[in-house]
Amino acid sequence: SQQGEEDPQALSIQEGENATMNCSYKTSINNLQWYRQNSGRGLVHLILIRSNEREKHSGRLRVTLDTSKKSSSLLITASRAADTASYFCAPRGNEKLTFGTGTRLTIIP
Amino acid sequence: DGGITQSPKYLFRKEGQNVTLSCEQNLNHDAMYWYRQDPGQGLRLIYYSQIVNDFQKGDIAEGYSVSREKKESFPLTVTSAQKNPTAFYLCASSIGGTYYEQYFGPGTRLTVT
Repeated sequence: SQQGEEDPQALSIQEGENATMNCSYKTSINNLQWYRQNSGRGLVHLILIRSNEREKHSGRLRVTLDTSKKSSSLLITASRAADTASYFCAPRGNEKLTFGTGTRLTIIP
Repeated sequence: DGGITQSPKYLFRKEGQNVTLSCEQNLNHDAMYWYRQDPGQGLRLIYYSQIVNDFQKGDIAEGYSVSREKKESFPLTVTSAQKNPTAFYLCASSIGGTYYEQYFGPGTRLTVT
């Protein structure tokens, strides 16, 4: 199955700073999705970037995709306490669905 | 409100008992999924269904069973054959197949003692 691997596993930053997390995957994809999970809750879809796109923005989120390196990054600008959560990437191709272990982001007020 | 619901939020069972987790969606989505999440871990796919009356095993289907008799419902039964059933279970749906974004329910935390 196609699993994304997020890096770092955990990240703590001060409120107002930018947070960057990375995702690597192994096989070809149709698109790559990022999700957020608050503690004890379901996942929430944040953004989808297609394989022919290199960068996408949504509010304070910026996602890049480098298919030659099989990697993606998620940048959250001007972080807020409410951004504290786990973030998962989900590469989507022809293999079975799965999610990685995520990056646990903590925003320090 | 459109969305995906799971019930109950917390479920406690004795070892050896089967238990069924409910998942309902009113988004008119064709595809539905069940995942298991263990503490500090990612999500692992148990079963998925792309259309009514059809479903496929995921990576960890052993000890679980599902049915998809109605488009809006995809119940998961955790059987006594599942060796370590205590976990957080998440149901999701998507408008189409695996390329589409998934909408998740709030989850059911199952504890088996």
